[in-house]
Amino acid sequence: KNEVEQSPQNLTAQEGEFITINCSYSVGISALHWLQQHPGGGIVSLFMLSSGKKKHGRLIATINIQEKHSSLHITASHPRDSAVYICAVPLKGKLTFGTGTRLQVTL
Amino acid sequence: DAGVIQSPRHEVTEMGQEVTLRCKPISGHNSLFWYRQTMMRGLELLIYFNNNVPIDDSGMPEDRFSAKMPNASFSTLKIQPSEPRDSAVYFCASGAGGANEQFFGPGTRLTVL
Repeated sequence: KNEVEQSPQNLTAQEGEFITINCSYSVGISALHWLQQHPGGGIVSLFMLSSGKKKHGRLIATINIQEKHSSLHITASHPRDSAVYICAVPLKGKLTFGTGTRLQVTL
Repeated sequence: DAGVIQSPRHEVTEMGQEVTLRCKPISGHNSLFWYRQTMMRGLELLIYFNNNVPIDDSGMPEDRFSAKMPNASFSTLKIQPSEPRDSAVYFCASGAGGANEQFFGPGTRLTVL
């Protein structure tokens, strides 16, 4: 069993839809990261959070430490949101990554 | 700041050749990480340094891989000899607080023929 699991693996949505990507992890952590990898390959850190909720533009990340679960939400999705979204948690001092969720937003 | 700088951005080489990937972390960051990304295995940590000292190299696949960080502003990842299965995108990331905040470079796409 992977220490970090994401769902769904692939997601297709129409422009404007509300999107949720989930991440579950198996051990206690101090913080969780959400990363975005563009089709061109670059990786951008979206959020690092240790409790509650963070919001940046149309992106919202939540975490429930007790349930070892985090969600990334995208409101009013747009084709430019198409990317792979990766959840990562620090284990023994180093980041361990989920397998990623490939999001495709169509017009 | 220019962010994490990696070079080259693309490298194509033949099996058996030596490959050197370079990384310049963000000034002031004391942690540096080398990752490899493939379709099959996703993102994997190869090695990370804290204050220029290698902390964990358990992800380095084999002796053909070596990494150095001679000073706070430069690191190299070397593969000698290279093999086709080393083909991947290699990312360098730097951070100010261990694994708790990282900024990724643009990556080096390596193709070994």
